[in-house]
Amino acid sequence: QSALTQPASVSGSPGQSITISCTGTSSDVKYVSWYQQHPGKAPKVIIYDGRFRPSGVSNRFSGSVSGNTASLSISGLQAEDEADYYCTSFTAYSTLFGGGTKLTV
Amino acid sequence: QVQLQESGPGLVKPSETLSLTCTVSGGSISSYFWSWIRQPPGKGLEWIGYMYSSGNTNYSPSLKSRVTISVDTSRNQFSLRLRSMTAADTAVYYCARGVAYSSIVFDPWGQGTLVTVSS
Repeated sequence: QSALTQPASVSGSPGQSITISCTGTSSDVKYVSWYQQHPGKAPKVIIYDGRFRPSGVSNRFSGSVSGNTASLSISGLQAEDEADYYCTSFTAYSTLFGGGTKLTV
Repeated sequence: QVQLQESGPGLVKPSETLSLTCTVSGGSISSYFWSWIRQPPGKGLEWIGYMYSSGNTNYSPSLKSRVTISVDTSRNQFSLRLRSMTAADTAVYYCARGVAYSSIVFDPWGQGTLVTVSS
């Protein structure tokens, strides 16, 4: 398993859309999950298996995978979206976290 | 709904062994990947490992030599032991339930417990 690379930070204004990338090998990113973590809180899964949203997660969050890059998109940015976002990969029954991206709204 | 709660010491001396327990309430401890994940202060998340309820385990290669995860189905608890602690092991330790899809998805998580390594 190789590293998962995320941008350290992204920013956007309320109402705008942003995308956070997660780059690795094509096998590493195939079934990426994305976690949202607010300061002082435990992470929460918002996308799994690349593009699926758990029940209760806003449809403003969407995931996609192309080649060796997975992407998390957030539309209609809201102040509450300001958080850290982590991608994870799962291969050979081992999990790897990306370095995390701080989203500033 | 399933809830997880970590318990254990907040302070550990260098070279000692950390023991943490995660109590699962609102659901069975069967048929999931019971997981530990940590986060050093101000840094990112690091997967430690998990045990499937059948007893199979998988650990991070970087921690494998020092880690043991075990499950006590009678108490609906699972535990982490991390030996030979150093200052680099200071972190918030989270327990989480791993759910199998095409990957393993951590949901839900405990609230986390800060463990400081210091003499």
